[in-house]
Amino acid sequence: DSGVTQTPKHLITATGQRVTLRCSPRSGDLSVYWYQQSLDQGLQFLIQYYNGEERAKGNILERFSAQQFPDLHSELNLSSLELGDSALYFCASSVKVHPNIGTGELFFGEGSRLTVL
Amino acid sequence: GENVEQHPSTLSVQEGDSAVIKCTYSDSASNYFPWYKQELGKRPQLIIDIRSNVGEKKDQRIAVTLNKTAKHFSLHITETQPEDSAVYFCAATPPYNQGGKLIFGQGTELSVKP
Repeated sequence: DSGVTQTPKHLITATGQRVTLRCSPRSGDLSVYWYQQSLDQGLQFLIQYYNGEERAKGNILERFSAQQFPDLHSELNLSSLELGDSALYFCASSVKVHPNIGTGELFFGEGSRLTVL
Repeated sequence: GENVEQHPSTLSVQEGDSAVIKCTYSDSASNYFPWYKQELGKRPQLIIDIRSNVGEKKDQRIAVTLNKTAKHFSLHITETQPEDSAVYFCAATPPYNQGGKLIFGQGTELSVKP
């Protein structure tokens, strides 16, 4: 158990719909990262938050948005869903990023598997 | 931005043999290079990492080497066992002012045959 909790574990929805994926980081971790893993694909970086603020953005679609709340949990919102959005969405957290060292180990949740029909 | 290339995409070895996975990165300022193992249906987990001020690091049967000049790093697994079968991802971290995110390679599916 990594200490990172993601809900829901599985989600099946239709094209055009909107879903929200939720992530609770490990206790004390300030950084939250979202990654997308499609079939036979690697881990694509979507977005990172640090203590409530957006810190870095990857190739995240405009239909996708995220936020980190004061209690440090994060939500990833996916709208106008398309078949190609079907994937495993991972949330990860890490300890405070040290200015001189950078990031350290990412602790991944079990993922939320999204199926768009 | 940072780009990480990983080879090979699949690797099959006999139990007891060694396995080597190689990655190259594009941003010479990247300073942290971890390796993650993802077993089927599971979450990625860190197995070893190396920082840019170190050339080699070893942990039992696993070692990682870094060549900053060539911008490549490699994972070496010796005396492979069936439980080493998994997908392995390398990653690189751009400088802190880019958020500390990890950029992953495409993964290598390692199969260790008994």
